[in-house]
Amino acid sequence: GAGVSQSPSNKVTEKGKDVELRCDPISGHTALYWYRQRLGQGLEFLIYFQGNSAPDKSGLPSDRFSAERTGESVSTLTIQRTQQEDSAVYLCASRTSGGSYEQYFGPGTRLTVT
Amino acid sequence: GEDVEQSLFLSVREGDSSVINCTYTDSSSTYLYWYKQEPGAGLQLLTYIFSNMDMKQDQRLTVLLNKKDKHLSLRIADTQTGDSAIYFCAERAAKNSGGYQKVTFGTGTKLQVIP
Repeated sequence: GAGVSQSPSNKVTEKGKDVELRCDPISGHTALYWYRQRLGQGLEFLIYFQGNSAPDKSGLPSDRFSAERTGESVSTLTIQRTQQEDSAVYLCASRTSGGSYEQYFGPGTRLTVT
Repeated sequence: GEDVEQSLFLSVREGDSSVINCTYTDSSSTYLYWYKQEPGAGLQLLTYIFSNMDMKQDQRLTVLLNKKDKHLSLRIADTQTGDSAIYFCAERAAKNSGGYQKVTFGTGTKLQVIP
């Protein structure tokens, strides 16, 4: 079946511009995560959606970052007034509820801020 | 808060065993995971272990958990060049006060397999 998809795969933007990254989770997965992975570093948790509950936004690094998800469908991560330090790969993952809580990852969006 | 640490790099010869280590701080961890990330790709779950287990074996993979020392290891037997990747350890904590079950990832260990 279809996995987690993300778009665009690559995005180059100028400093100060806004960007919107999209994640299509696996159908039926109630939970969705966004992570940031800087070059040569581990995953940095950004935000977590679980069904219709209020999201856990504790990982968002600044108020320039926001994310939305309607129900159990597509999610968008928006970065306003991008800075060079925002350059990273942004990974999305989804999972079902219960069980081992395995997360299924998308291929990521590589964001480069020039 | 939760912290998961790994060494950054490991180099082994093809055919040898690889052992990747991880330490974590959250004693309430329920599940511990090993993910593999190949170049240019997202993470893929390799295996996981529930916190009441000491060991789990899955073909060439052996996971050992020392809950007292909060130490997790992944052993890959007969390491192949296709095993070259970054390996991430992750732990899932018990629900926090907000009811969320956050998964914390380590920084990843880059495994280089020399032919």
